[in-house]
This record gives sequence, C-alpha cells and structure tokens, in this order.
Amino acid sequence: AQSVTQLDSHVSVSEGTPVLLRCNYSSSYSPSLFWYVQHPNKGLQLLLKYTSAATLVKGINGFEAEFKKSETSFHLTKPSAHMSDAAEYFCVVSANPGNTGKLIFGQGTTLQVKP
Amino acid sequence: GAVVSQHPSWVICKSGTSVKIECRSLDFQATTMFWYRQFPKQSLMLMATSNEGSKATYEQGVEKDKFLINHASLTLSTLTVTSAHPEDSSFYICSAVNRDRGMNIQYFGAGTRLSVL
Repeated sequence: AQSVTQLDSHVSVSEGTPVLLRCNYSSSYSPSLFWYVQHPNKGLQLLLKYTSAATLVKGINGFEAEFKKSETSFHLTKPSAHMSDAAEYFCVVSANPGNTGKLIFGQGTTLQVKP
Repeated sequence: GAVVSQHPSWVICKSGTSVKIECRSLDFQATTMFWYRQFPKQSLMLMATSNEGSKATYEQGVEKDKFLINHASLTLSTLTVTSAHPEDSSFYICSAVNRDRGMNIQYFGAGTRLSVL
C-alpha cells in the first residue's frame, strides 16, 4: 500500500536561510511524487512533481526536491526562504500504479518564516 | 494553463438547507475530478471521485445521499450538501485531473468554506 510521512509538522526558519521539509514514502511500485503548497484559506498549488525522468526535480518559486530511492525520501528544499513562502506544504504520492490521478496526502508541514 | 475554478468561495446557510458547490476546469477537459474535505490544521480527506458521465465513487464512510455529486460535462462537477447540519461545516476543495506529458496531474480549486448555522 502507498503511504507518505512528513517528518515535521512545523518548521520555522528565518528569512534568507535554507528551507528543508522532509518527506518519506512507502510504495510497492515506482511512485509518482508531488509537493503541493497551500496558503491560508486557499486551494493547493503544485510546486513540483517526480515522474522518474530525473531524481532532482526543480519546481516553481525556487523550490526543488530530490528523489532518493535507497532512503525512500523526497525532501523539499529551497536555498533562501522568503516571507511569502510561509504556508502549508503537502508531500503527496500517487495511489496506484496506473496513476489515475488519485493521490495520498501527507499530514502537512507548516512553514513559518521569521523576518 | 490548468486552471480550476471553484464557486462559491464562502457560503453560510441555515441548518436543513442544501448547498451546491461548483468545480470547473477552465482551460482543459477533465474526465475525472475529486472532492476533498479539510478540517482546520489537517490534511485533505478524499470524499469521492467524480467521473464524467457516470456515478461518483465514494470513499468509505462518506454518505452518498448526503453529498451528491454530478459530473455532467467534461468541465463541470458539482457537490451538493443536502440537508446541511453544523457538523458539515468545513472547507471543501475540488480538483480536476489534467494529462500533462503522459502523466495525470491534479489541479485544485481555491476551496469553499461552508458554515452551517
């Protein structure tokens, strides 16, 4: 069965410092993995997706994530945090090998950015 | 591209009334849409899969007669909360699946906050 675990429920960084949001997954097949961001009272925006084409995936707003099969991880990083990055971040895995679109969400990580 | 519009963004209703929420894919056709419910400070809970031209598939524990889903066209799915009660108050989010370079990607609406008095 597919599952995803976000290791931190809350991460706090200072503006201009690096961001690391950790995600581990479990999958019985080669997964599709995503990171989505949700600002308060808003829907979710796709940050980036892993589709097995390349292990280092670059997304929008300077974010990137690295797929590490040996560690079953898909951590999200950004070199320098901006105040506008404060939001809820979800690590997501496809629910089935056919990638029909159904997803399994992590519990979310709240990113706080301090001035 | 891949914009999903959800309407209304906020609705207040009296207990016992029904509320309809619309989800539209604006620049692509979506055979499949999803409806989620999100409680404060929690992740998204999948309620149902909406398939164009056929009945929706509901997740375990979700009352299909309570949450009516209609996917009448390739760009529109609706969720109707029937006989709403205060415990139905929540944030409801829809998504539409768009095929992007051979991969199915979910694009999300902005959500609807339902408050039942």
